[in-house]
Amino acid sequence: DAKTTQPPSMDCAEGRAANLPCNHSTISGNEYVYWYRQIHSQGPQYIIHGLKNNETNEMASLIITEDRKSSTLILPHATLRDTAVYYCIVSDGGSQGNLIFGKGTKLSVKP
Amino acid sequence: DAGVIQSPRHEVTEMGQEVTLRCKPISGHDYLFWYRQTMMRGLELLIYFNNNVPIDDSGMPEDRFSAKMPNASFSTLKIQPSEPRDSAVYFCASSYRPDTQYFGPGTRLTVL
Repeated sequence: DAKTTQPPSMDCAEGRAANLPCNHSTISGNEYVYWYRQIHSQGPQYIIHGLKNNETNEMASLIITEDRKSSTLILPHATLRDTAVYYCIVSDGGSQGNLIFGKGTKLSVKP
Repeated sequence: DAGVIQSPRHEVTEMGQEVTLRCKPISGHDYLFWYRQTMMRGLELLIYFNNNVPIDDSGMPEDRFSAKMPNASFSTLKIQPSEPRDSAVYFCASSYRPDTQYFGPGTRLTVL
């Protein structure tokens, strides 16, 4: 079973920041939070990951709460091309290789 | 870089036929993963390889499914015999570390 809880869907206006929440209250100390997204008819795409510090890359920012029980993926200026299903995944990142993809959040960016 | 390459992109076959899906991982990646995605079950890991060696095949649904990786640049997923319930999109992914995977475009399989 997925270790994360995400809202099934969200809307965002084009040009605005999209803030996607994820709850992972049972996360272990050695587990990372990963975000992937899947645009319609494409394979999933890695976005970002973090352990406890906030992370930023060219695609997004990841904010992890101090107790690590929840996190937020931020797309600072959403575009129509960001419409996708976003998956929040918790994993130890080790040799297991088993990323469990739940149902994710369907983000719809509207003009 | 061409990314992960999968072929064919679409496959339509009849029940009982053998199906072979192909994957070329990104050069230099040591890990290769096969996933299956359906509306009902979502995205499921079938098997993954590290340095061409199968590490975990617990997700392979039954003996009709087999996967091989004869070298670092090629892998196959075979279904024999195929059944209608095997209809799905099959993704291959590769990576140099197991948690940040790069997915291919997928093969949409329809078994009639």
